[in-house]
Amino acid sequence: AQSVTQLDSHVSVSEGTPVLLRCNYSSSYSPSLFWYVQHPNKGLQLLLKYTSAATLVKGINGFEAEFKKSETSFHLTKPSAHMSDAAEYFCVVSEGNFNKFYFGSGTKLNVKP
Amino acid sequence: KAGVTQTPRYLIKTRGQQVTLSCSPISGHRSVSWYQQTPGQGLQFLFEYFSETQRNKGNFPGRFSGRQFSNSRSEMNVSTLELGDSALYLCASSSGEVYQETQYFGPGTRLLVL
Repeated sequence: AQSVTQLDSHVSVSEGTPVLLRCNYSSSYSPSLFWYVQHPNKGLQLLLKYTSAATLVKGINGFEAEFKKSETSFHLTKPSAHMSDAAEYFCVVSEGNFNKFYFGSGTKLNVKP
Repeated sequence: KAGVTQTPRYLIKTRGQQVTLSCSPISGHRSVSWYQQTPGQGLQFLFEYFSETQRNKGNFPGRFSGRQFSNSRSEMNVSTLELGDSALYLCASSSGEVYQETQYFGPGTRLLVL
């Protein structure tokens, strides 16, 4: 069975400081893992995707995520937050022979000036 | 390439009515998936269509249905609307030829049921 847990519903950081958004997953198969971002009243934009090629995945806008199988984690990081990063972030699992996405509950990132 | 488009962007309906939402995928994509987003339940998978056939289905009542046309455009229909159907409905497209592939989302249709 698959599930996604985003450990923080809200994260607040100051501009220029690092960002860490945490995600744990459970999956019976070799999953694909994604991070998407949703700005207010907008659709979802892909930040990055993990398949199995490399455990450290680099995405757009300076974001990256590390897949740790032993910890079943896929945390999203960014070295330096920008005001434009304020949005809601979703961790997503897709597994097996399906195109079905399982979403985490989302983490709202607030960036303070 | 143009992105995923959804129409209309906003809808207001009353309980008991029905509604049809439309989604045009990225050119060349044959898979369209639909999701419901609410503050209480988050993002939930409704169904996926590929080559005019429903390929996957989530846990929603039969009032929620969909279809896909030969040009890959998809419609979602909700009959006998309930207050709880108020949500942002997102569609996403992908080639559909590889599993676990990236899905590209449209801006959504925000439905308000009064």
